[in-house]
Amino acid sequence: EAQVTQNPRYLITVTGKKLTVTCSQNMNHEYMSWYRQDPGLGLRQIYYSMNVEVTDKGDVPEGYKVSRKEKRNFPLILESPSPNQTSLYFCASSKSPRGRDGYTFGSGTRLTVV
Amino acid sequence: KNQVEQSPQSLIILEGKNCTLQCNYTVSPFSNLRWYKQDTGRGPVSLTIMTFSENTKSNGRYTATLDADTKQSSLHITASQLSDSASYICVVSGGMDTGRRALTFGSGTRLQVQP
Repeated sequence: EAQVTQNPRYLITVTGKKLTVTCSQNMNHEYMSWYRQDPGLGLRQIYYSMNVEVTDKGDVPEGYKVSRKEKRNFPLILESPSPNQTSLYFCASSKSPRGRDGYTFGSGTRLTVV
Repeated sequence: KNQVEQSPQSLIILEGKNCTLQCNYTVSPFSNLRWYKQDTGRGPVSLTIMTFSENTKSNGRYTATLDADTKQSSLHITASQLSDSASYICVVSGGMDTGRRALTFGSGTRLQVQP
């Protein structure tokens, strides 16, 4: 089954404790992206990757890092999480950025930073 | 600035009734427009895609329209079911950048279907 798999689904952590949210896709998509979703604000792009070793900032990159060492994986790293990073996070992939064939989203990771 | 605005923000209807959700956009140049359905706590799932030359497209009880001249789209849901309760997000692809901001998301309409 074609899918984007995120882990964990739920995470509660303390301020400053480094964490990684994993994302993996099995569709051989070149384009991958991370979003955060907050009430009333819709989905906002954090980072995206056009291909292996090619990553760039989205609209809200502060406090996040990413890497793309393999085509299928695109982990999101929070080096020193803060409470304002409490949010619902989605990873997505597609054949191309414009998503002519559609974006496939993961099931989401609900992160709470206390 | 590329923007997508959706209305209403939220909507409550009775099971079996029809409803229409609106999406206005200012993305230029325009590539395509998708409506996504997002169940609570889940990732968005695509319902329909509209390109510049398409006016209407149906997917079961969902019918999307696009007026590229006025930059408006609508999603009509016929004979609503309890399972239609979700957020519906309008996403427009386009703009000058092919990476960042390749997509512009609306903030969604939260639909609640009551028995």
